[in-house]
Amino acid sequence: RKEVEQDPGPFNVPEGATVAFNCTYSNSASQSFFWYRQDCRKEPKLLMSVYSSGNEDGRFTAQLNRASQYISLLIRDSKLSDSATYLCVVTTNQAGTALIFGKGTTLSVSS
Amino acid sequence: DTGVSQDPRHKITKRGQNVTFRCDPISEHNRLYWYRQTLGQGPEFLTYFQNEAQLEKSRLLSDRFSAERPKGSFSTLEIQRTEQGDSAMYLCASSLVAGGTGELFFGEGSRLTVL
Repeated sequence: RKEVEQDPGPFNVPEGATVAFNCTYSNSASQSFFWYRQDCRKEPKLLMSVYSSGNEDGRFTAQLNRASQYISLLIRDSKLSDSATYLCVVTTNQAGTALIFGKGTTLSVSS
Repeated sequence: DTGVSQDPRHKITKRGQNVTFRCDPISEHNRLYWYRQTLGQGPEFLTYFQNEAQLEKSRLLSDRFSAERPKGSFSTLEIQRTEQGDSAMYLCASSLVAGGTGELFFGEGSRLTVL
């Protein structure tokens, strides 16, 4: 079982749609969670951290369910510029533990 | 430009040759990571340093791979006796960690093609 698993893509949605991505992680000791965004042929960049209470940044909402070891990202009112691959990332925060990336879910927003 | 820089950006080599990639992190960052990414996959962790200490090395990293960060600044990743399966984008990232986990800042990557 992979450490971080994500919804298979691609997701093809029209502008204005709401889309949700899911991610599960296998290590119950995981403490920190993130969503990174990667544009085509570019490097990954941090989109947002994921907090236990859930957090929102504009049109983006991240949720964490520790009991189910599940993370989600909701994008409301999709824009063409949201087209990218969204990577789920987890780490245990312990010394000597790196950030582990999921395979990524590709989103394509069309007009 | 004060971001993470990687060199070379592209490398084409023949199977069996050795290659070396260099990464210059953001200057005040104490952690430096190496990841490998192939088409359609997320970045796969290879190794990371905190200052000059190599704290973790992936089980997937064969003995042909070695990384150094001699003075806690730049890092090199060497692949010996390259194989076609080594073809990938090699990404370097750095972060500033003062407790917890800092945001990773990635370089643009070094693309390796092994013929």
